[in-house]
Amino acid sequence: QKEVEQDPGPLSVPEGAIVSLNCTYSNSAFQYFMWYRQYSRKGPELLMYTYSSGNKEDGRFTAQVDKSSKYISLFIRDSQPSDSATYLCAMPLRGGATNKLIFGTGTLLAVQP
Amino acid sequence: NAGVTQTPKFQVLKTGQSMTLQCAQDMNHNSMYWYRQDPGMGLRLIYYSASEGTTDKGEVPNGYNVSRLNKREFSLRLESAAPSQTSVYFCASSPGGVYGYTFGSGTRLTVV
Repeated sequence: QKEVEQDPGPLSVPEGAIVSLNCTYSNSAFQYFMWYRQYSRKGPELLMYTYSSGNKEDGRFTAQVDKSSKYISLFIRDSQPSDSATYLCAMPLRGGATNKLIFGTGTLLAVQP
Repeated sequence: NAGVTQTPKFQVLKTGQSMTLQCAQDMNHNSMYWYRQDPGMGLRLIYYSASEGTTDKGEVPNGYNVSRLNKREFSLRLESAAPSQTSVYFCASSPGGVYGYTFGSGTRLTVV
């Protein structure tokens, strides 16, 4: 079993829809949770960063963590064609002098105009 | 402010050839990382350097070597390229701790 599981999609939605992207994880030691966005032929960029359980909102984006279920979500409200990208969840595995990010495989999102 | 710069952006190698992928960051970050990204496999850690002068293996180190030349630069070397090393390679850096990474734009490598 992979430490971080993510549905690869693709997920296609009409413009203006609410999008839900999800990851599950198996390591209960994870405490920090990140979402990266990766446009085609670009490097991933950090989108949101949360600590422990609860919600965090940033504009149209909301990150949700449920540690009891080992489940994290990213919601996108009023989705736009510019949101079309691959979304990767990531969790730092702590140990030694630095953390090592463990990534999900990514979900490809297409927002149709 | 360039962030993380990777060179080259594209490369085609023949089986058995060697090459070095270069990475430099200008954010004064302590830690640097090399990942490969393959369809259906996501990003997998090859090697990392927690600080200048140290390097450690990640999840998929076989066939690769690295050098942390100084605080800014972290190179990845393929000594004898194999078709299984066809991938997109990303370099990343972070301040250390549990901060997120800043990624470069990637090197697309094809081994024929």
